[in-house]
Amino acid sequence: QVQLQESGPGLVKPSQTLSLSCAVSGGSISGGSFYWTWIRQSAGAGLEWIGRIYTTGDTRYNPSLKTRVSISMDTSKNQFSLKLASVTAADTAVYFCVRKVAYGGQEDYFDSWGQGTLVTVSS
Amino acid sequence: DIQMTQSPSSLSASVGDSVTITCRASEDITNYLAWLQQKPGKAPKSLMYGAVNLHSGVPSRFSGRRSGTSFTLTINSLQPEDFATYYCQQYSSYPETFGQGTKLEMK
Repeated sequence: QVQLQESGPGLVKPSQTLSLSCAVSGGSISGGSFYWTWIRQSAGAGLEWIGRIYTTGDTRYNPSLKTRVSISMDTSKNQFSLKLASVTAADTAVYFCVRKVAYGGQEDYFDSWGQGTLVTVSS
Repeated sequence: DIQMTQSPSSLSASVGDSVTITCRASEDITNYLAWLQQKPGKAPKSLMYGAVNLHSGVPSRFSGRRSGTSFTLTINSLQPEDFATYYCQQYSSYPETFGQGTKLEMK
């Protein structure tokens, strides 16, 4: 059973860059066919899909964040990461890293979630 | 972006009841629809995918249906562990989007 664990600062100042990592255990991040995904949840905006990186390194982002967001993977550390630049209070949320099984169609599904990490944007 | 509209936003029911939650997509998503369950302080858990397929380990009292762009999640014979918040999510096109959630509370 693969397990995901988010890590990173819980407090980020406005205009700075939010950086989170997701350590993957119980499976290789470079094996199989998976979308390694970031989702966030805030009281105001509910659940929001941030973006994902495929096993091959291909990325897709939410257009609402596209100019500020970057997702990358580090196969040597078996982890993937999120960077969100120029943060504001609106980026305060619980951030989840998630693995999605990628069959390439309707059979795709989320199978593993991290526990989530609260990031607060405040000076 | 595809908008997902869930109803009701909250629902009160008793153990043993059956309840239905509805989710409507703003455009055709065929069966690219998932249902998630979330309990307070926890990450969401996948219940269904492809609109009608139960995720492994999910009890058969959960079922999903599709009618055009309208989807329903039905829970038969509610159990105490079913009281939670439920979300629909479309993955037909990027960005993937979620409904606003339905909080199922014990009456």
